[in-house]
Amino acid sequence: QKEVEQNSGPLSVPEGAIASLNCTYSDRVSQSFFWYRQYSGKSPELIMSIYSNGDKEDGRFTAQLNKASQYVSLLIRDSQPSDSATYLCAVNAFNKFYFGSGTKLNVKP
Amino acid sequence: DGGITQSPKYLFRKEGQNVTLSCEQNLNHDAMYWYRQDPGQGLRLIYYSQIVNDFQKGDIAEGYSVSREKKESFPLTVTSAQKNPTAFYLCASSISGTGQETQYFGPGTRLLVL
Repeated sequence: QKEVEQNSGPLSVPEGAIASLNCTYSDRVSQSFFWYRQYSGKSPELIMSIYSNGDKEDGRFTAQLNKASQYVSLLIRDSQPSDSATYLCAVNAFNKFYFGSGTKLNVKP
Repeated sequence: DGGITQSPKYLFRKEGQNVTLSCEQNLNHDAMYWYRQDPGQGLRLIYYSQIVNDFQKGDIAEGYSVSREKKESFPLTVTSAQKNPTAFYLCASSISGTGQETQYFGPGTRLLVL
């Protein structure tokens, strides 16, 4: 059973700060990695995907992957109240996806 | 307008009743998935299908059934054997075989028991 672990939070940051979300996974054959944002009562929305070690930036979001440490993170710069949501980490191994239970982020105005 | 549609948005089930949740995609994706999400929890895989006329059980398949007669459709039936069906049900799809498959979700169906 592949495990994807996230701190459930809530993580509270002030508006304009950097929010740092972390995820660890247990299986070294995992091939690709994703961050989804889920607002309360809504379905998950893909915000970042990353496939190789290092950083990947998209606007205010940066995903970081370290396969040796089995660790993936998401940084949100200039956090906004609209970023308040639950962030799900997911890994893909051989076309099966495994999800963490999510980290709740609160951005305070 | 490409995407994944799920219907209904809300569904009420009576005791002993089977109900079917619809999932349709026009993204030309090969793989489709059903997940269950309980309040404050992550996603648990119910069933998935990589190709038409073939599907596999996920981690919590008991009390559920699926079919995959068409590439674009993957309906989920919640049977009377599922004793605790109240949850948020999410359908997803992805391309297969690229090594960089990305999964996209429909809007979800919330199932409640009367």
